[in-house]
Amino acid sequence: AQSVTQLGSHVSVSEGALVLLRCNYSSSVPPYLFWYVQYPNQGLQLLLKYTSAATLVKGINGFEAEFKKSETSFHLTKPSAHMSDAAEYFCAVSDSGAQKLVFGQGTRLTINP
Amino acid sequence: DSGVTQTPKHLITATGQRVTLRCSPRSGDLSVYWYQQSLDQGLQFLIQYYNGEERAKGNILERFSAQQFPDLHSELNLSSLELGDSALYFCASSPVGGRRGYTFGSGTRLTVV
Repeated sequence: AQSVTQLGSHVSVSEGALVLLRCNYSSSVPPYLFWYVQYPNQGLQLLLKYTSAATLVKGINGFEAEFKKSETSFHLTKPSAHMSDAAEYFCAVSDSGAQKLVFGQGTRLTINP
Repeated sequence: DSGVTQTPKHLITATGQRVTLRCSPRSGDLSVYWYQQSLDQGLQFLIQYYNGEERAKGNILERFSAQQFPDLHSELNLSSLELGDSALYFCASSPVGGRRGYTFGSGTRLTVV
């Protein structure tokens, strides 16, 4: 069964610093991978997705993620953190039937001034 | 506004009661998904409907049921409510399956007292 593991339930960085949120996946088929962001009291918003085209995927708000098959990883990065990036981030993989998405446990990102 | 509408936004009810959560998918989307988000369980997939038919089932309790109507809106019915059912319930929609990701609604926060 498909699954994702997000390393670190809580990440804290300084404003202007690099953001790195880690996601490893397990999939028996070529995966479709996603990163979502959830701001307080809101629904989940799609940041970016990997659907077997380019391995480096650019998303909204300056985020990007790189698909590395050899490492079964899809880490999310942003070169310079902004206070508005404080939120919870979820990595997800589509199941083998490409029907439902399976989500990781989430990583709460805190930005220090 | 994501285009996925969930009502009500908040619901407070007593144990043993029954509630109905409603979701209108984004225009043109045929698939509707229901997820439960709680602090201890994270985002749990409940059920998927595609064009009126149940397509996939996850960790949905027998006390819970859902349906999708001809106009594609969906309802999640929760009965014999327990304190542990308190959670955020999200609806998401997609054109077909999950291959390209979902669009999420802003959720219904259910509190069982």
